Amino acid sequence: AQKITQTQPGMFVQEKEAVTLDCTYDTSDQSYGLFWYKQPSSGEMIFLIYQGSYDEQNATEGRYSLNFQKARKSANLVISASQLGDSAMYFCAMRDMEYGNKLVFGAGTILRVKS
Amino acid sequence: GAVVSQHPSWVICKSGTSVKIECRSLDFQATTMFWYRQFPKQSLMLMATSNEGSKATYEQGVEKDKFLINHASLTLSTLTVTSAHPEDSSFYICSAPPGVGETQYFGPGTRLLVL
Repeated sequence: AQKITQTQPGMFVQEKEAVTLDCTYDTSDQSYGLFWYKQPSSGEMIFLIYQGSYDEQNATEGRYSLNFQKARKSANLVISASQLGDSAMYFCAMRDMEYGNKLVFGAGTILRVKS
Repeated sequence: GAVVSQHPSWVICKSGTSVKIECRSLDFQATTMFWYRQFPKQSLMLMATSNEGSKATYEQGVEKDKFLINHASLTLSTLTVTSAHPEDSSFYICSAPPGVGETQYFGPGTRLLVL
């Protein structure tokens, strides 16, 4: 079975600094996808970034980048130049290729950006 | 990204009543939609996979007769919480991928409070 582990229940970062949110995964599949979602207090789930297991380059989307280390089975999210609006819950998720598009989520990390 | 809507955004009902939640894909067709449940400060828990034209696939431990799912069309899936009780109070959120293997986009969620 696939598993996602986010070991940081909460993180603080100073505004304008960079922050790394950790995510490790466990799977026996060769083909898989890794996602990061942001959930603000309103509850909506906002898609941030995607990394495929066969992608050789680390994914980037604006201020978000994914530090993908396949051998270590880690997919850390890096947010550069943090903004107050980045304060939210962040979830790492893996797509279960064996069962179509099902997503397995980690426990999440609450990020608080300080001014 | 693709847009998914959910209705209602919040609902308060009396114990014993049934509540229907709608999930719509607005700008794409979705043969598969997913229903999640989330308790405060916890991760998303997949309840079931909604399949257009066939029965939903429920996750282990989710009562099929309690949570009725109907995928009426390629753009609409409904979740009905039957005979709701206070322990059913939660945040329910749906998602849909525009295609097989594509990113899941989430609806804004529905907050259910059963009195």
